[in-house]
Order: sequence, then C-alpha cells, then structure tokens
Amino acid sequence: RKEVEQDPGPFNVPEGATVAFNCTYSNSASQSFFWYRQDCRKEPKLLMSVYSSGNEDGRFTAQLNRASQYISLLIRDSKLSDSATYLCVVRDPGYSTLTFGKGTMLLVSP
Amino acid sequence: DVKVTQSSRYLVKRTGEKVFLECVQDMDHENMFWYRQDPGLGLRLIYFSYDVKMKEKGDIPEGYSVSREKKERFSLILESASTNQTSMYLCASSFSGGRIPIEQYFGPGTRLTVT
Repeated sequence: RKEVEQDPGPFNVPEGATVAFNCTYSNSASQSFFWYRQDCRKEPKLLMSVYSSGNEDGRFTAQLNRASQYISLLIRDSKLSDSATYLCVVRDPGYSTLTFGKGTMLLVSP
Repeated sequence: DVKVTQSSRYLVKRTGEKVFLECVQDMDHENMFWYRQDPGLGLRLIYFSYDVKMKEKGDIPEGYSVSREKKERFSLILESASTNQTSMYLCASSFSGGRIPIEQYFGPGTRLTVT
C-alpha cells in the first residue's frame, strides 16, 4: 500500500521565522518527489520538485533522504503569503500517477 | 499558461441523479486525472487516462466512471449520486514523461453536494 505521511499541523510561526516540514513515504521504489502548495479554497500548484542532491529556490529548500525515505521542505524568512497547506507528493513507480500526503498547514502571523 | 477548466465550481444534486463533471485542458497533455479531496483524507485518485479512450482505475473508483473521447476532455460520471459522494472534485492533466518528473496542473475544482 502506497502511503505518504505528513504532520497536519497547523504550524503557527511569526513573520521572518524559519520553518521545516517533513514527510515520509512507504514505497522505496519511488523515484520522483514534489512539494505542492494549496491555498485555502484553491487548487494545488507545484511549488518545487525534490532532487536527490537537494535543491533550493529562493527561500525554499527541499531535501530527499532515500535511506530513511523522507523528504523535507525548509522555508526561511517566512512571509504572510506563505500561509497555505503544503502537500508532499510522490510519483508512483512506473506510472504517471501521484500519491499525495494529506498536507501540512502553515499559518504565518504578523 | 496551462489552463485546466472544469464545467462548474459548485453543483447541487439529489441522491440517485446521474452527474457529469467535465474537464478540459488546452495544453495537449496526454494524461488526465480525476481526484476527490475531503477534509482529513487529502487528495485521492479516482480514475486517470493516459490516452484517448483509455482509462485506468485509481484508488477509489467505486461509484464512478469516466469518458475520454477527445484528448483535451475528460469526464467524470456519477451514475447514481449518493450523499457520500459529496466532495470537492479536482481534475488535473500532465504530459507523459517516462522517468522525468512531470508536473500535474489542476483545475479550480467542483464542489459537489448530494442531498
């Protein structure tokens, strides 16, 4: 059974804080990993792909640990506009389908 | 910009009615997907299609069927709507990329209420 587990939160942080989310996945054969962002009452949108070597996009850093089967997302210098639900997503091996975690809610306050 | 559109944002139907949810994408994507999203359960895949007239069951296909007669259009059908099918329905599409990570683009969603 394929599973992607996330802490649902919410994570309440002040503006400017650094916050990190982790996610674990069950299928060791999984090859592709993503973080999606979903604003309240909106559709999910790709935030970033997660590569084996880790990758950074501005204030966002994603890391992959294959041995422990977990993925992380680090957000530095949090902005009010970062408030959203962050979905950890794993591509199913051999398919174009994705398995979504239930999401971690982030609330950034002034 | 990639655009995925869904026929309705909000829909209210009665138990036992046949319901059609339509999804159209304008980027010539091979793959199309239907999900439902419920509080505490996250996004769950109902059906997907990787080509015209092709369909594959996802994780929760019971009570649903799909149709893909044209590449750009993917329909979700509830043959006899039930109250436990009240949910947010999201359509998505993507290119077929082999081993390359391929982004899925989502439509705005249809909030279906079955009374």
